[in-house]
Amino acid sequence: TQLLEQSPQFLSIQEGENLTVYCNSSSVFSSLQWYRQEPGEGPVLLVTVVTGGEVKKLKRLTFQFGDARKDSSLHITAAQPGDTGLYLCAGARNNDMRFGAGTRLTVKP
Amino acid sequence: EADIYQTPRYLVIGTGKKITLECSQTMGHDKMYWYQQDPGMELHLIHYSYGVNSTEKGDLSSESTVSRIRTEHFPLTLESARPSHTSQYLCASGVTGGVEAFFGQGTRLTVV
Repeated sequence: TQLLEQSPQFLSIQEGENLTVYCNSSSVFSSLQWYRQEPGEGPVLLVTVVTGGEVKKLKRLTFQFGDARKDSSLHITAAQPGDTGLYLCAGARNNDMRFGAGTRLTVKP
Repeated sequence: EADIYQTPRYLVIGTGKKITLECSQTMGHDKMYWYQQDPGMELHLIHYSYGVNSTEKGDLSSESTVSRIRTEHFPLTLESARPSHTSQYLCASGVTGGVEAFFGQGTRLTVV
């Protein structure tokens, strides 16, 4: 059983559609990060959320941290082909950081 | 843009060979990590270091070893490669007290 469960595992949509991906856990985290990884590259940090209920926006991306700091969501508005990639969430507890398996997003033109 | 580099990017090697995967960062980060990534699986932490001469095993059993003689360098060595070691290896670094990780581009290792 993974500490961080991400859903869906795969998502294929058309350009212009909206989508939401989820990161859920039964554990409480002091912070949670979202990364995007493109093929052949390492993950790149998108955002860190720290406070329960926090919402952060990065252009068309909206990140939310659950009130209990156990889960998070990423919403993309009007998806573009450039958003294609593997979206990973990672939770920090003390000095430990755990990653989910990711959501592989494909945005078709 | 993070300055962390991994070499080689791709490696195909025969069973039983000794290999070292290189990782260097120029950001002066004390924390460095090695992760193993397989398709559809979470990133597994195999080794980490909080500074020079500090190394620890992660939560994934690994037959590899690491060293941290210099802040900027964190190589990973497999003494005898096996097909089960075939995977993507990601190196990352971070600041002490921080939670974000900055990743290299990865080394894709294939053991035949």
